[in-house]
Amino acid sequence: QVQLVESGGGVVQPGGSLRLSCAASGFTFSSYGMHWVRQAPGKGLEWVAFIRYDGSNKYYADSVKGRFTISRDNSKNTLYLQMNSLRAEDTAVYYCAKDPGVVAAIGAFDIWGQGTMVTVSS
Amino acid sequence: EIVMTQSPATLSVSPGERATLSCRASQSVSSNLAWYQQKPGQAPRLLIYGASTRATGIPARFSGSGSGTEFTLTISSLQSEDFAVYYCQQYNNWPPMTFGGGTKVEIK
Repeated sequence: QVQLVESGGGVVQPGGSLRLSCAASGFTFSSYGMHWVRQAPGKGLEWVAFIRYDGSNKYYADSVKGRFTISRDNSKNTLYLQMNSLRAEDTAVYYCAKDPGVVAAIGAFDIWGQGTMVTVSS
Repeated sequence: EIVMTQSPATLSVSPGERATLSCRASQSVSSNLAWYQQKPGQAPRLLIYGASTRATGIPARFSGSGSGTEFTLTISSLQSEDFAVYYCQQYNNWPPMTFGGGTKVEIK
């Protein structure tokens, strides 16, 4: 079945780095744009980043621009989020999510992973 | 950036009753509006896209309506498994995609 499984979360000090991974299965990963969405504890949802199906275009929320980098390896069916210069306000559950548009992204999220927790604290 | 506003923040409903949730956009998003359901400790789940199209496997008691700036999610007869937080999200002008603050549907 269609599945996304995130990993790589944990506790990191302010200013530190972390790389999240998202393993995809059950669909043709290389045909779909992918997103990262986060949710701070007890708060709502915030879109973080998007990468086109072929990796040729990437977009970021202003809150993470210049600090986070989204990437993908279509040969491994895996999505990544490299997070640098982490701040306390980056503490959240990070979800990877599939865009429903084939090749041409729509900007919605039809499949979600279970999420991975990132805690930024000294 | 388009701001999405949901109301009410909390809705208390008895099982079997109808629930009506509202979502307003700060500018027109046409019909590029999705609704998600999130239960405690779980990832969100897509319910509705294109303002009114149910996603795969979503029961018919969930319906969406509206266009432009005003949208509604209706749950015709609440079941126990429907008590959750619901978010609307616009994807007309992106990036960024933006979510509403959520409506919690709780048992009355």
